Amino acid sequence: EVQLVESGGGLVQPGGSLRLSCAASGFTFSSHEMNWVRQAPGKGLEWISYIGSNESSIFYADSVKGRFTISRDNAKNSLFLQMSSLRVEDTAVYYCARDGLWEPFDSWGQGTRVTVSS
Amino acid sequence: EIVLTQSPATLSLSPGERATLSCRASQSVSIYLSWYQQKPGQAPRLLIYDASNRATGIPARFSGSGSETDFTLTISRLEPEDFAVYYCHQRSNWPPLTFGGGTKVEI
Repeated sequence: EVQLVESGGGLVQPGGSLRLSCAASGFTFSSHEMNWVRQAPGKGLEWISYIGSNESSIFYADSVKGRFTISRDNAKNSLFLQMSSLRVEDTAVYYCARDGLWEPFDSWGQGTRVTVSS
Repeated sequence: EIVLTQSPATLSLSPGERATLSCRASQSVSIYLSWYQQKPGQAPRLLIYDASNRATGIPARFSGSGSETDFTLTISRLEPEDFAVYYCHQRSNWPPLTFGGGTKVEI
């Protein structure tokens, strides 16, 4: 069974940093492209970052470019999101989402909540 | 950036009725349009990819159609568990990957 488990969320002050992790199991992690998608309270889904299976390609949404860094450790079946210079508007539930062979975002974690507030 | 506009914002229906949800793209996305269902407090779930392909385990009452800029998600007969928010997503011209604003299907 495919499992994605996010961790690392919490309360942080504006300008602070946080590192999110996503632990993957039940599939060959190194074969799949991965993403981070977030959802602000009461709002819709926003894609924020993509990473290729071997980190060959990395993309960011403009809203986080230069502040967030996506990475992965295929040996440890883990995906990461290093977030810095956090803003109030970064408050959201952050999901890691797997891309299937053909299917986009075919599996999702349960999400981790990030609150940016003073 | 490709903008996806979903309509209506809210759809009020009863169990057993047919639901028709629309997603319009600001430019052609070919068939690279997918649909997701999200229930309160849960992660989204993939329903349809490449406009009309049902994802693994998705019931046949869910169907997708369309191409280029106009897409439809149809739920043939609503079950109580189908009341949720539905998002469309395009993967034709990116980055950025984009989602529609969502349609809430409520009783």
